[in-house]
Amino acid sequence: QQQVKQSPQSLIVQKGGISIINCAYENTAFDYFPWYQQFPGKGPALLIAIRPDVSEKKEGRFTISFNKSAKQFSLHIMDSQPGDSATYFCAASPSDTGKLIFGQGTTLQVKP
Amino acid sequence: DAGVIQSPRHEVTEMGQEVTLRCKPISGHNSLFWYRQTMMRGLELLIYFNNNVPIDDSGMPEDRFSAKMPNASFSTLKIQPSEPRDSAVYFCASSPATGSPLHFGNGTRLTVT
Repeated sequence: QQQVKQSPQSLIVQKGGISIINCAYENTAFDYFPWYQQFPGKGPALLIAIRPDVSEKKEGRFTISFNKSAKQFSLHIMDSQPGDSATYFCAASPSDTGKLIFGQGTTLQVKP
Repeated sequence: DAGVIQSPRHEVTEMGQEVTLRCKPISGHNSLFWYRQTMMRGLELLIYFNNNVPIDDSGMPEDRFSAKMPNASFSTLKIQPSEPRDSAVYFCASSPATGSPLHFGNGTRLTVT
């Protein structure tokens, strides 16, 4: 029940295309859903986050879509760029603990 | 803001040796987390502290692992004795309050031979 399942494991997209990464969770106590971006040799960095009171959040080219009834959320990267090539992690936590549980990660490669 | 600072960046040690990883959280942050990252298991939460007090250490793999936070600006993760299966990247993260975004350091890559 503590797991966050992420797919796909890897993704190759052409420059200008849309990258979509999906996550699913079981624990209904989760109420904070961030996405982190990680470059080689660096720690994960917060990209965008959502709480279940909204179904979508957009920041620039990055959008989170959230489906509370299905217990799923996804990251959409519009107009994908080679600089977006990185590993992306979804995560979830109950806000009263801040204890983030991470998905397994998706390695994104954007081809020029 | 220097961010979360971890040391050393790389550590290579022999099986059976003691290893100490260090973390300086962002000033003013009240929560500190230790994560381990491997290809097989991804990012696993080992332990976290609120206001220097350990809150949840259920992710610590076994008694060989211990973590301390003697003050608000310093934490250590110790492995004694180390084993080859402990080889991983260990991340420290801090956040200003419970439920706030985590800020990660750049990790310590540990190799146990």
